[in-house]
Amino acid sequence: GAVVSQHPSRVICKSGTSVKIECRSLDFQATTMFWYRQFPKQSLMLMATSNEGSKATYEQGVEKDKFLINHASLTLSTLTVTSAHPEDSSFYICSASAWGAQFFGPGTRLTVL
Amino acid sequence: GENVEQHPSTLSVQEGDSAVIKCTYSDSASNYFPWYKQELGKRPQLIIDIRSNVGEKKDQRIAVTLNKTAKHFSLHITETQPEDSAVYFCAASSSNDYKLSFGAGTTVTVRA
Repeated sequence: GAVVSQHPSRVICKSGTSVKIECRSLDFQATTMFWYRQFPKQSLMLMATSNEGSKATYEQGVEKDKFLINHASLTLSTLTVTSAHPEDSSFYICSASAWGAQFFGPGTRLTVL
Repeated sequence: GENVEQHPSTLSVQEGDSAVIKCTYSDSASNYFPWYKQELGKRPQLIIDIRSNVGEKKDQRIAVTLNKTAKHFSLHITETQPEDSAVYFCAASSSNDYKLSFGAGTTVTVRA
């Protein structure tokens, strides 16, 4: 149980384009999902909390208009990086909350050229 | 907000020896303390967790201890094996919002 998937696993895009990343809880329902960003050899930094049926809560310093989050159902949250720039290149990981713990997706490696 | 500090940043041990990683936290409201293992390019995997109503928890070669008064918790890996080599992260959260605050990570290398 507690399997979380993420799609795509890797994406390369041109500067100025938008990229959508999907996070799904496969065998459980998650009213809350979280989005993290991880730069090489660094820790996970929480970007935002995604709540089903309501607006996401963003951490300080994270631009909500640049990182659009939609939690349309109890099993799906999406993160859209709008007008991506090279400095947005990173490893984006989602997690879903269940039974008081967090379970992580496999991550999406975003490279912006 | 919560601030989690983790030490050491790197740890090299001989196969069969023990490894200990220590974390401190700042928010007294935190009541859930998980440990994650992350291999290069992969997702963090929950290896053990502890809640504030217990002081110690063990799962085979892995144990975690918690001292709420001092606001610190530790991960102990005994009889280390090469496959234990990875980056380990501690984290803390409260039942108020379940947001995890992570430590900076410890790169563990087990020498064969």
